[in-house]
Amino acid sequence: SYDLTQPPSVSVSPGQTATITCSGDQLGDKYACWYQQKPGQSPVLVIYQDDKRPSGIPERFSGSNSGNTATLTISGSQAMDEAQYYCQAWVSRGSVVFGGGTKLTVL
Amino acid sequence: EVQLVESGGGLIQPGGSLRLSCAASGFTVSSNYMSWVRQAPGKGLEWVSVIYSGGSTFYADSVKGRFTISRDNSENTLYLQMNSLRAADMAVYYCARDLGAAAGLAFDSWGQGTLVTVSS
Repeated sequence: SYDLTQPPSVSVSPGQTATITCSGDQLGDKYACWYQQKPGQSPVLVIYQDDKRPSGIPERFSGSNSGNTATLTISGSQAMDEAQYYCQAWVSRGSVVFGGGTKLTVL
Repeated sequence: EVQLVESGGGLIQPGGSLRLSCAASGFTVSSNYMSWVRQAPGKGLEWVSVIYSGGSTFYADSVKGRFTISRDNSENTLYLQMNSLRAADMAVYYCARDLGAAAGLAFDSWGQGTLVTVSS
C-alpha cells in the first residue's frame, strides 16, 4: 500500500512562514493537494494539482511537489490559519490516499 | 452554488446495514467523480469509495465487499450502502466532489458529514 507521511504538528509565530511536508514514494510523479480542516468543520481544499489555489483561498497559501515530498507553505501565518492540514494524492486509478494530518499551531 | 447534503447516519448494531445519501445541487453528480470519505472520531481522513462519471466504482480495501457506492441520476444523489458494519466503521462520512482528472483530482466540495455510530 502507498503511504503519505506528515509531521503530527507544526508551530509558527504570527506573521512567519509555516511549512508542512508530505512524503511519499515518488510523490512528485503524482498530483498532490492539501486540505484545511478546523474543529467541527468539513475539510476545505486549499491547494490542488501541486500548486494551484482554488478561488477564495488567500495568496499566502502555496504548494510545491518534487521528488518524494510535497510542501504546503503558508506565508505570513495568521491566527485563522490554525487548523489540521491533510495532504492527499490519487496513487492509481481508483485509489486515493490521505496523509495522517498535521496540526498547525499559530502562537 | 454547489451544495452537498448527506443524510442517513445513525446508531447501528455491529453486523447491521445502513444507507447513506448525499443530495447534490448546483451541479450534476453523474458528470463528476464523486467519493465518500470518512473520519473516525479524533482521527484523520480516510478515503472510502469513488464512482467515476463513466460509472466505474472503486473501494478502499477496508470496505471492499461490504460497501457499495451508487448514484441516482434522476435524483442527482449519491449513495453508500454499508453492510456488515463493524466498530471500525464508526465515523463521520462525507461525500465529496472531485475536480476531475484535468485538475489533478482533488475534492473541491464537501458535504457537512453524517455520523455513523456502530455499537451494541
